[in-house]
Amino acid sequence: GNSVTQMEGPVTLSEEAFLTINCTYTATGYPSLFWYVQYPGEGLQLLLKATKADDKGSNKGFEATYRKETTSFHLEKGSVQVSDSAVYFCALSDLIGVTGGGNKLTFGTGTQLKVEL
Amino acid sequence: DGGITQSPKYLFRKEGQNVTLSCEQNLNHDAMYWYRQDPGQGLRLIYYSQIVNDFQKGDIAEGYSVSREKKESFPLTVTSAQKNPTAFYLCASSPLIRAEAFFGQGTRLTVV
Repeated sequence: GNSVTQMEGPVTLSEEAFLTINCTYTATGYPSLFWYVQYPGEGLQLLLKATKADDKGSNKGFEATYRKETTSFHLEKGSVQVSDSAVYFCALSDLIGVTGGGNKLTFGTGTQLKVEL
Repeated sequence: DGGITQSPKYLFRKEGQNVTLSCEQNLNHDAMYWYRQDPGQGLRLIYYSQIVNDFQKGDIAEGYSVSREKKESFPLTVTSAQKNPTAFYLCASSPLIRAEAFFGQGTRLTVV
């Protein structure tokens, strides 16, 4: 079955440091890949996505490139801020069934990021 | 504003009681989902529905039930058969075919 593996946390960085959170996946077919962010006590917000190989998703200074050859989708940001402190989830989506449509998202276990002044 | 509304935000239940979590969306999405989140375990799919009056079990459906009588509503019932119900429950919706899911703010259920 599908699976997503992301680096263990917590990751603690100083403000303006470079961020990388590693994510690798196992899937049949050609899934779409996502990064979601979760702030304390809240639901998940979509951060960025990529739907095919070599696509680069980007948003709010975060980037990730869909690498089919290495089955990876690493999240990067050049200069983190205290406000980026949150839990980050890597996920892949796979179509459900043949006719029904919709997405079954498979999530990694999440990586907590703490950014300090 | 369009979005997904989950209620209540916090819920306490005594052992042996059933409890229903509400999820409503006004995004006109066909598909809806329930996920359970536990610390250090990511999110796990409980049930999903692609169309009104139809739904399927996800990876951890035992002890849960759902209904989909209206397109915009997908309530989840946590029954007394669920052995470890204390968790954070997230509802999501999506259009069909390769689209990202949009999440509600979650309901934290605590069994006391």
